[in-house]
Amino acid sequence: SYVLTQPPSVSVAPGKTASITCGGYNIGSKSVHWYQQKPGQAPVLVIYYDSDRPSGIPERFSGSKSGNTATLTISRVEVEDEADYYCHVWDRSSGQVFGTGTQVTVL
Amino acid sequence: QVQLVQSGAEVKKPGASVKVSCKSSGYTFNDYHMHWVRQAPGQGLEWMGWIRSKSGGTDYAQRFQGRVTMTRDTSISTTYMEVTWLRSDDTAVYYCARGVGATTSLDYWGQGTLVTVSS
Repeated sequence: SYVLTQPPSVSVAPGKTASITCGGYNIGSKSVHWYQQKPGQAPVLVIYYDSDRPSGIPERFSGSKSGNTATLTISRVEVEDEADYYCHVWDRSSGQVFGTGTQVTVL
Repeated sequence: QVQLVQSGAEVKKPGASVKVSCKSSGYTFNDYHMHWVRQAPGQGLEWMGWIRSKSGGTDYAQRFQGRVTMTRDTSISTTYMEVTWLRSDDTAVYYCARGVGATTSLDYWGQGTLVTVSS
């Protein structure tokens, strides 16, 4: 089955930049989406199709992809960005696949 | 505005079944598919399957095939997900989430339904 690997945790100071990676075989050929999930809440889409941002999502959130890694970047991090983040792709054999999740802590 | 409103929390015994509903509003129901995703306590997101709202066709994740059934009632814009033969490790929050096609994102999510399986 297809696996997406994320770092378990990322710590960042307010105002700095956080980068969350998502690794998977041949991810360059797949569309990658990213979700933010705060405790006790449903996930919220923050990036779709690798780098597009839904309306209402701050410009501080951006996405990119290179080789076998996709990256979610949060610039000028704010306290409210503290949450879990998940990447997501569709794989022909496995269906919809979510990454292992990354907990972002704002110090 | 788009809304997905799920049914309330359930407590079930091992071996029982549970059926969770997801009522859609604010968009044309048949134009989107509905996915179901679950999250066990303290764990990540796990995709269970999806149903095509217009045709009723389904695709289930391999580990849920035979134990999960997704249906819909287009007359009331509602999607259902039933899990049979519940086990304690089925204890989780179950989410419905809207999508357009296989490779697209899940742009709106329900509020989640906690299903607790305990003897």
